[in-house]
Amino acid sequence: SQTIHQWPATLVQPVGSPLSLECTVEGTSNPNLYWYRQAAGRGLQLLFYSVGIGQISSEVPQNLSASRPQDRQFILSSKKLLLSDSGFYLCAWRELSGEKLFFGSGTQLSVL
Amino acid sequence: AQSVAQPEDQVNVAEGNPLTVKCTYSVSGNPYLFWYVQYPNRGLQFLLKYITGDNLVKGSYGFEAEFNKSQTSFHLKKPSALVSDSALYFCAVRDIRWRALTFGSGTRLQVQP
Repeated sequence: SQTIHQWPATLVQPVGSPLSLECTVEGTSNPNLYWYRQAAGRGLQLLFYSVGIGQISSEVPQNLSASRPQDRQFILSSKKLLLSDSGFYLCAWRELSGEKLFFGSGTQLSVL
Repeated sequence: AQSVAQPEDQVNVAEGNPLTVKCTYSVSGNPYLFWYVQYPNRGLQFLLKYITGDNLVKGSYGFEAEFNKSQTSFHLKKPSALVSDSALYFCAVRDIRWRALTFGSGTRLQVQP
């Protein structure tokens, strides 16, 4: 069966420090991968999506970047964190022909 | 661009009573609509979807949703609420090329015992 792993679960980082959040999917191949951010426990904002290795689409200009170095690995990064980067980050995947998104358990990022 | 709106920040209902969580949508072309649920500090879980066919869609945990094209609505319903249904509910719509889902702002459902 397919599973999605996202880590770390919580992270506290100082302003100006780098960031790396990792997401991996098991049990499927060539999934579509997504990074969403949820602010203050409410609405979700799509940050990036990827349809294949090295293919990244950014939905909003921001301080973050994403990479997909392997088929089932999706990384969210920043060179210098801002206070406004705080939030709950969710990774998700979808089979190419599927209709459902499957979400990871999320990373709570606090930038202080 | 497609969008969904959830007009209620919070819905309160007594256990055993029916519940409705509202959602309206705006799309060009045929709508592809979804409901997801989020429990505290967790990722979202799929509840149900409307792609085509019957206007009443049945999903997980006894939930169902009614698609109404004339009112551009896709309200989530359950005949008898449980305390364990208390969570954050999101309506979502996918774009025509199925790149990603656009989510509403979420509605917090509180079921009182």
